[in-house]
Amino acid sequence: AQSVTQLGSHVSVSEGALVLLRCNYSSSVPPYLFWYVQYPNQGLQLLLKYTSAATLVKGINDFEAEFKKSETSFHLTKPSAHMSDAAEYFCAVSKGFQKLVFGTGTRLLVSP
Amino acid sequence: EPEVTQTPSHQVTQMGQEVILRCVPISNHLYFYWYRQILGQKVEFLVSFYNNEISEKSEIFDDQFSVERPDGSNFTLKIRSTKLEDSAMYFCASSPGGSGRVSYNEQFFGPGTRLTVL
Repeated sequence: AQSVTQLGSHVSVSEGALVLLRCNYSSSVPPYLFWYVQYPNQGLQLLLKYTSAATLVKGINDFEAEFKKSETSFHLTKPSAHMSDAAEYFCAVSKGFQKLVFGTGTRLLVSP
Repeated sequence: EPEVTQTPSHQVTQMGQEVILRCVPISNHLYFYWYRQILGQKVEFLVSFYNNEISEKSEIFDDQFSVERPDGSNFTLKIRSTKLEDSAMYFCASSPGGSGRVSYNEQFFGPGTRLTVL
């Protein structure tokens, strides 16, 4: 069975600081990996995805993630946090068109 | 830009009542999904639908749940007899499907329906 683990339910950074949100996955087959963002009282918006092409994936709003098979990781980074980045971030894994399996989420807090 | 829409945005119902949550997936998408998110918890898969039939369902999706694509555009989730624990945000998603396209397996989510069971 596929699963993802997100370390840290809350991450706090200062505006302008590096953002690092951690995600480790478990999959018996090459996975498709995704990061979604959820702003308060809104739906899920795709930030970026890994689908077995380049291991370094760039997404919207300067976010990027690197697929590391040896570490079974897909951590999300952003060089410089902005106040508008405060939200809940979900890592997810799937096989092809099958269900997305989500992690428990990480709430990013950005202070001025 | 095409988007998934869901109605209503908020549904309040009494325990034991039937509710129907409606979704309009992106046109020409082939795969459809329902997920739910209980307040403060992670997003959980309920069911996937392809070619007019359920392709996968979770253990949450028991006999009180059903899905239907009645007219080629709407995709509905019915809960026959709601329970207090059904209170959650319900998300619909759709995926293009097909092959040879970069985003063929990306799932596009609607804004959700907040279901409150009293």
